[in-house]
Amino acid sequence: EAGVTQFPSHSVIEKGQTVTLRCDPISGHDNLYWYRRVMGKEIKFLLHFVKESKQDESGMPNNRFLAERTGGTYSTLKVQPAELEDSGVYFCASSQGTLGNTIYFGEGSWLTVV
Amino acid sequence: GQNIDQPTEMTATEGAIVQINCTYQTSGFNGLFWYQQHAGEAPTFLSYNVLDGLEEKGRFSSFLSRSKGYSYLLLKELQMKDSASYLCAVIGTYKYIFGTGTRLKVLA
Repeated sequence: EAGVTQFPSHSVIEKGQTVTLRCDPISGHDNLYWYRRVMGKEIKFLLHFVKESKQDESGMPNNRFLAERTGGTYSTLKVQPAELEDSGVYFCASSQGTLGNTIYFGEGSWLTVV
Repeated sequence: GQNIDQPTEMTATEGAIVQINCTYQTSGFNGLFWYQQHAGEAPTFLSYNVLDGLEEKGRFSSFLSRSKGYSYLLLKELQMKDSASYLCAVIGTYKYIFGTGTRLKVLA
């Protein structure tokens, strides 16, 4: 069974540019999460989709971040315009249910804004 | 507020036993996970505790005390491949909240 896949694995962009990260969850997982880890800090929650609906987007840092999950399958996270502080690893995770269900992580998308 | 505390780094010797502690304060509690993360890789699931007590899985055990807001991950018969970050994550009301992780170095 394929795990959570993310693309691109690495991205280097200039400040002010746009980047779109993609996540394909495990097939059949309704719950999809985006997390971010900035160097040396904890993994921080960004948002949670249940199917195509945003269940919780309280972790999104500001309106430069836009997440979508059209059709309830894959999700995209767009950063526009990117700032230096957006650099970090963006993890996507998915789970079948919510409370008590194991969440499975993708390898992460490493974003560097220069 | 919501807070999860873990030691930043630990060092142990191959073959030894190490205990990684995690204390938490969260609004709501629906379970605690431990994940292992090797550098440059995705976190992988190790254990899940929702009731007080010890859960054992081979060389790895995890303990939970809900009244104390405390958990630990116990690794026995350490191997070099156990060098990794160990993340404590608590399911609050709806969210999975992560600690900063503990970097474990296993020395020969």
